Amino acid sequence: AQSVTQLGSHVSVSEGALVLLRCNYSSSVPPYLFWYVQYPNQGLQLLLKYTTGATLVKGINGFEAEFKKSETSFHLTKPSAHMSDAAEYFCAVSEGSGGSNYKLTFGKGTLLTVNP
Amino acid sequence: NAGVTQTPKFRILKIGQSMTLQCTQDMNHNYMYWYRQDPGMGLKLIYYSVGAGITDKGEVPNGYNVSRSTTEDFPLRLELAAPSQTSVYFCASRVSYEQYFGPGTRLTVT
Repeated sequence: AQSVTQLGSHVSVSEGALVLLRCNYSSSVPPYLFWYVQYPNQGLQLLLKYTTGATLVKGINGFEAEFKKSETSFHLTKPSAHMSDAAEYFCAVSEGSGGSNYKLTFGKGTLLTVNP
Repeated sequence: NAGVTQTPKFRILKIGQSMTLQCTQDMNHNYMYWYRQDPGMGLKLIYYSVGAGITDKGEVPNGYNVSRSTTEDFPLRLELAAPSQTSVYFCASRVSYEQYFGPGTRLTVT
C-alpha cells in the first residue's frame, strides 16, 4: 500500500521568492512519483514525474523536484515565484516497474498563494 | 484532439435521484479512471478500467457503477444519490505513466 503526505495545506510566498512544497511518501516497492497542478475550476495537469534515472527532474513552468530515497521525499521547488503559480498542487505516487503502476495515490494537496 | 471531455459541468440532484456522468477521450488510451475530489482531501479513486469491457473498483466505489463498452467512453452511474456524493468528479485517461484529466463535473445532492 502507498500513501502520500503533503506538509502544509496552505503555503504563502511573495512574488520572486523561493517556492518549496513538501511531499513525503511511503511505498512497499520502488515508486513512481508525480506532481500535478490544479488551477481554479480546472482539472489536474502534470507538472513533472520521476520514474527512473536522474533523481532531479525538471518540469513545466520552471518547477523541479528531487527524489530522495533515503528521506522518502519528493519536494517541489521553484527559485522565483510568479503570480501565475498560484494554484493547488498535488503530489502522487504509484508503484513502479513491475507493480501496479497504473494507479495513483494522491496527497491532500497544498494551496499556493503568491503575494505581490 | 479534444483530450478528455466530461458532461455535464454542473448538476444539482435531489436525494434518491439517479444520473450518469459522461466521460469521453479521443486519445485511444486503454486506461481510464474516475476520481472524486472533496475539499482538503485530495483525489480518491472510485473506479478504473484497463480496457474496453474491463473495470475494477478503486478506493471509494460504494454508490457508483461504471461500464466500458468502447475505448473512448467511460460513464459513471450514480444510483439513489445521497448528500455524501456531493463532490467534484474527474475523469482521466492514461498513457505511459501520465494521466490526463478532464475539466470535472461539480455535483450537488440536496
